[in-house]
Formats: sequence, C-alpha cells, structure tokens
Amino acid sequence: GDSVTQMEGPVTLSEEAFLTINCTYTATGYPSLFWYVQYPGEGLQLLLKATKADDKGSNKGFEATYRKETTSFHLEKGSVQVSDSAVYFCALSDQGAQKLVFGQGTRLTINP
Amino acid sequence: DADVTQTPRNRITKTGKRIMLECSQTKGHDRMYWYRQDPGLGLRLIYYSFDVKDINKGEISDGYSVSRQAQAKFSLSLESAIPNQTALYFCATSDLVAGRDTQYFGPGTRLTVL
Repeated sequence: GDSVTQMEGPVTLSEEAFLTINCTYTATGYPSLFWYVQYPGEGLQLLLKATKADDKGSNKGFEATYRKETTSFHLEKGSVQVSDSAVYFCALSDQGAQKLVFGQGTRLTINP
Repeated sequence: DADVTQTPRNRITKTGKRIMLECSQTKGHDRMYWYRQDPGLGLRLIYYSFDVKDINKGEISDGYSVSRQAQAKFSLSLESAIPNQTALYFCATSDLVAGRDTQYFGPGTRLTVL
C-alpha cells in the first residue's frame, strides 16, 4: 500500500539556519503531496501542497518540490525562526483512495 | 469561530467505560475523518465518511465505532475503552477541490484511559 517516510527527528537548529526535512513516498498512480504543521497544543494545519510532478508548493517561506523521479517531496526553508518550532508531517493523497497517508512526523526546535 | 470543533478537549476515563468524542464543522464539507496520533507513528485513520449515508473503516478501526448524525457532525465511540487507546484524536474534514483532497483538522481531543 501507499506509504510516506520522513526524516527522523528531533531536529534542532539555530535561528536563521537552513532547514531541510526529507520526505519520500511510495504510491501507485499520481498522488498529491502535502506538508502539514502542528504547533504545540494545536491541530494540524496545511502548510503547502503539490498536485503533480515538478510542481512547487510554497508558503510562509517554506518550499517543497514534487519529484516524481526520486519519489520525494523535501521541505526546505532558507532561514528558520523560533516561531517555526513545531512538528511537521509529510502526507500523500491518492486520488483513487481519497484518503491521506501520513509520515511519522518530524519535531523541529529552533533555538534563538 | 473555529471551522472544526471537537469536544471534549481532554478526557480521562477508566478501562471498560464507554466514551464518545464529538466533532462538528461549519465548513459545509461532505467528508469527515477520525484519526489517532501516537508519538512516533504519525496519524492513523480510524474511520471516514464521504457523506451522511457513507461510513468506511480506516487502518485501525477495531475497538471503535462512528456515527454520522448530520453533514456537520461525526462522532467517534469507544465501546469499552482500554489503556492502549490512550492517544490524541483528531477530526478532519475535506471537500474535493479540483480533483484533489485537502483536509482541515480540529484542535484534537486528548484521551487518557487508566
């Protein structure tokens, strides 16, 4: 079945550092790909998404590019802030199944 | 007001008790979902419903049941709670847009079974 594998955490960085969180997937067909973020004590919020190969999703300085050839959707940000501290989830949605499959989440902590 | 609300936000109960978690939405979406979140395991799908007359089991439905009382309401029940059902539970909604499925999550219910 479909699956998502994320970089294991926790990840700790200093403010203004460059961030990459790796995500790879296994799926039949042509899934949509998502990054969700969970701030402490809150539910998940959609951060960005891409619906087809080579699409780039972006939001709040974060970016991820749908790479079909490497089945990847890595999350990047050029300069992180303390307020980016959260848990990040990569997910896919297969159009046929119409359900989300999540990775295990990566906890990110940014120190001042 | 929040688009997706969950009640209660926190609940402590004892083994063997029946528990109901409720979810309401004002987004007008047809699709609703229940997930549980455990540390290191991400979110796993328990049940989902694509409309009022449609209920489907997810990845981990054993020990749970659901009721879709209306388009806006989707309840999750634990008929006889056990300690390994201690987790954070999320409700989500979605509406198919341009052929792809974006989900919107409630704030979660933290359930502890003693």
